[in-house]
Amino acid sequence: EAGVTQSPTHLIKTRGQQATLRCSPISGHTSVYWYQQALGLGLQFLLWYDEGEERNRGNFPPRFSGRQFPNYSSELNVNALELEDSALYLCASSLGGRPYGYTFGSGTRLTVV
Amino acid sequence: KNEVEQSPQNLTAQEGEFITINCSYSVGISALHWLQQHPGGGIVSLFMLSSGKKKHGRLIATINIQEKHSSLHITASHPRDSAVYICAVDTYTDKLIFGTGTRLQVFP
Repeated sequence: EAGVTQSPTHLIKTRGQQATLRCSPISGHTSVYWYQQALGLGLQFLLWYDEGEERNRGNFPPRFSGRQFPNYSSELNVNALELEDSALYLCASSLGGRPYGYTFGSGTRLTVV
Repeated sequence: KNEVEQSPQNLTAQEGEFITINCSYSVGISALHWLQQHPGGGIVSLFMLSSGKKKHGRLIATINIQEKHSSLHITASHPRDSAVYICAVDTYTDKLIFGTGTRLQVFP
């Protein structure tokens, strides 16, 4: 069974551009979570999608947005990139949320120059 | 004060040593996760606990709900165990809250 897959693995963008990150959950999982791990910081919750709807978001500006497709894959979009957006972005999936276990992808490392 | 605290922040050990990493939390939880993050950044879920104890190979995780504390133990540590170990709690607000991680280095 394929795990959670994220693409691309690395992304380099210029300040002001937009970045699009993609996540495919484990087959059968309906929830997708996005987390940001900035350099030297812990993981911070970004967004939660379930059944195509945004269910919750963390303390991030509206520049961070996303969507979930009918096949439960998800996109994270970051507009008007800033240098401090450079981070590892992790996606996790679960079967409909708590209390089921999460499976993490390997992440997309975004570098803004 | 962080809602999830881990200790120690950094840990070095000789191969074969018994290792303990601690996690304390201050919020109500439905489950606690132990995660392993390798230098490339990828995260592996090691355990999900809501009570008691779980064992997988050389790894043992325990949780005391009353004391709001969990421990991750590694027996007979090996250099390939070198990684960052992260405790995360599943709250009733539909998101995980992460500790800042414990960086473990095991030397041969």
